[in-house]
Amino acid sequence: GQSLEQPSEVTAVEGAIVQINCTYQTSGFYGLSWYQQHDGGAPTFLSYNGLDGLEETGRFSSFLSRSDSYGYLLLQELQMKDSASYFCAVRGGSWGKFQFGAGTQVVVTP
Amino acid sequence: EAQVTQNPRYLITVTGKKLTVTCSQNMNHEYMSWYRQDPGLGLRQIYYSMNVEVTDKGDVPEGYKVSRKEKRNFPLILESPSPNQTSLYFCASSLYFTTGTSGGASTDTQYFGPGTRLTVL
Repeated sequence: GQSLEQPSEVTAVEGAIVQINCTYQTSGFYGLSWYQQHDGGAPTFLSYNGLDGLEETGRFSSFLSRSDSYGYLLLQELQMKDSASYFCAVRGGSWGKFQFGAGTQVVVTP
Repeated sequence: EAQVTQNPRYLITVTGKKLTVTCSQNMNHEYMSWYRQDPGLGLRQIYYSMNVEVTDKGDVPEGYKVSRKEKRNFPLILESPSPNQTSLYFCASSLYFTTGTSGGASTDTQYFGPGTRLTVL
């Protein structure tokens, strides 16, 4: 089976940097993705890692270490609009099978 | 506009009354999937489809059926809904997956529909 762990909540001030960690267990690993979801909205894709290392997309970066079954999402220069839930998702086990973490609520304060 | 649509957006029904939630995408995506979202549990995959006539179970398939007769549509069927199926449901689609783990933002990117809030009394 699969399982993912991520912190339930992180609070930070505007302009700060936040790192959301995700550890996973899966019988077969194909990739780690990150999604953002605002209250009442649909999840939207942020980043993907299939290989070890860092992927950078504007203010957001994501890192993967397959040997440690670990990844993180880095949010830089935090803005109020970044207040949302962030989910890590692993594709593994079967080719099209996804499992999502329970989500990390990021609260950005002035 | 490229999008995933779901209907209905809100539904209140009673136990045992069969219902279908439709999902359609206009991006010619091969992959489609259904999730349910419950507080504190994140998104849990119900069923997915790699292509027309190819479907497989996710983590929580009990009580649900799906079909993929056309590439653009992937309806979710609840033959006999029960109160524990009260949830927020999302449909998602993706273009394709790489055969390896070479990565790339265009792979593994799922586009989600707006969600269907279902209440079963």
